[in-house]
Amino acid sequence: GDSVTQMEGPVTLSEEAFLTINCTYTATGYPSLFWYVQYPGEGLQLLLKATKADDKGSNKGFEATYRKETTSFHLEKGSVQVSDSAVYFCALSLNSGNTPLVFGKGTRLSVIA
Amino acid sequence: GAVVSQHPSRVICKSGTSVKIECRSLDFQATTMFWYRQFPKKSLMLMATSNEGSKATYEQGVEKDKFLINHASLTLSTLTVTSAHPEDSSFYICSGDPSGYEQFFGPGTRLTVL
Repeated sequence: GDSVTQMEGPVTLSEEAFLTINCTYTATGYPSLFWYVQYPGEGLQLLLKATKADDKGSNKGFEATYRKETTSFHLEKGSVQVSDSAVYFCALSLNSGNTPLVFGKGTRLSVIA
Repeated sequence: GAVVSQHPSRVICKSGTSVKIECRSLDFQATTMFWYRQFPKKSLMLMATSNEGSKATYEQGVEKDKFLINHASLTLSTLTVTSAHPEDSSFYICSGDPSGYEQFFGPGTRLTVL
């Protein structure tokens, strides 16, 4: 079945460090790919998305590129801040429109000053 | 963005009792909402699709008689955990999509069954 695998956490970085959270997927079709973020005590928020191969999603300094050849959608940020501390979820959806998501296990990021 | 609320945010109950969790779309109408369950250090797993005015669709392995879903209006879906047991303790999250392009999630409900 369809699945998402992302790197195990927790990840602890110093402020201004470079961040990479790996995400790979398995899907029968051509999925849309997402990164969601969950700040402490809050619900999931869409961070960025890409709907087709080679698309790059970006938001708040975070980027991820849809790589069909490696079935990957790695999340990167050049300089993390303490306020980026959260849990990050990679997810896919096989259809556009009102369809549920398949999530990875989540990666907890802690950024220390 | 659209807003989805859940109530309660946290509930503790005794084994054998039933608990109702509400999911509301505050600024959009949702003919479909999704219920997920999140175990500690695990991903969110889709439990069921809630359909306004019709029966919910449950994922394989989810007991429909235990997790009752009612989507009585375009802004409210409820999940009732019947005869709860400690293994039902988990974090339950709902979501809705106002436009067909993005899911918006509620803040979640943490259920603890003693």
